[in-house]
Amino acid sequence: AQKITQTQPGMFVQEKEAVTLDCTYDTSDPSYGLFWYKQPSSGEMIFLIYQGSYDQQNATEGRYSLNFQKARKSANLVISASQLGDSAMYFCAMREGGRGSTLGRLYFGRGTQLTVWP
Amino acid sequence: DAGVIQSPRHEVTEMGQEVTLRCKPISGHNSLFWYRQTMMRGLELLIYFNNNVPIDDSGMPEDRFSAKMPNASFSTLKIQPSEPRDSAVYFCASSTRVQGAEEQYFGPGTRLTVT
Repeated sequence: AQKITQTQPGMFVQEKEAVTLDCTYDTSDPSYGLFWYKQPSSGEMIFLIYQGSYDQQNATEGRYSLNFQKARKSANLVISASQLGDSAMYFCAMREGGRGSTLGRLYFGRGTQLTVWP
Repeated sequence: DAGVIQSPRHEVTEMGQEVTLRCKPISGHNSLFWYRQTMMRGLELLIYFNNNVPIDDSGMPEDRFSAKMPNASFSTLKIQPSEPRDSAVYFCASSTRVQGAEEQYFGPGTRLTVT
């Protein structure tokens, strides 16, 4: 089974509007962390935001927020007030608390290509 | 502060040749990860080290791939012999710890083309 599922291969949003990128995850570990990374066309991977499984509040970082719904196993990224520079591939990832060799391993989704248009 | 450094940034080689990719993690980081990114398979973990010791190499495709971390500031990923299907972007990432909120910092990647 896929650990991380991103069902939207591509999303379009108009500048200044908000957009939600979907991410669902699969784990039986009670302790885990969820990450979002951005990959612009230049290729580098940029960390955006983190949510821990025991965090009571949704994570926020500037214009990024994470809509964490634990019961539904979803961790959607919300970008408010989109900018042209937000156009990029966005990856959701999970790290399980785990033991032994699985500790530290990040599982990535296939990504969502976001295009912001003027 | 210098981030994760990878070299070369681009490599074009012929099938059958040996390829060595290099990575210098961020100083003070004790975990290092090698990833491969392709259109077909997305981003996949090849191997990772903690305190210079390989912890999980289950993602290494086959015996043609090998990785070493002789010290805390240097790692190599070697492909011998290379094949066209190895063409991909290879990322190195480092982290201070493998638990909690600590994110992995990625290098710029090496774009490998095997003809």
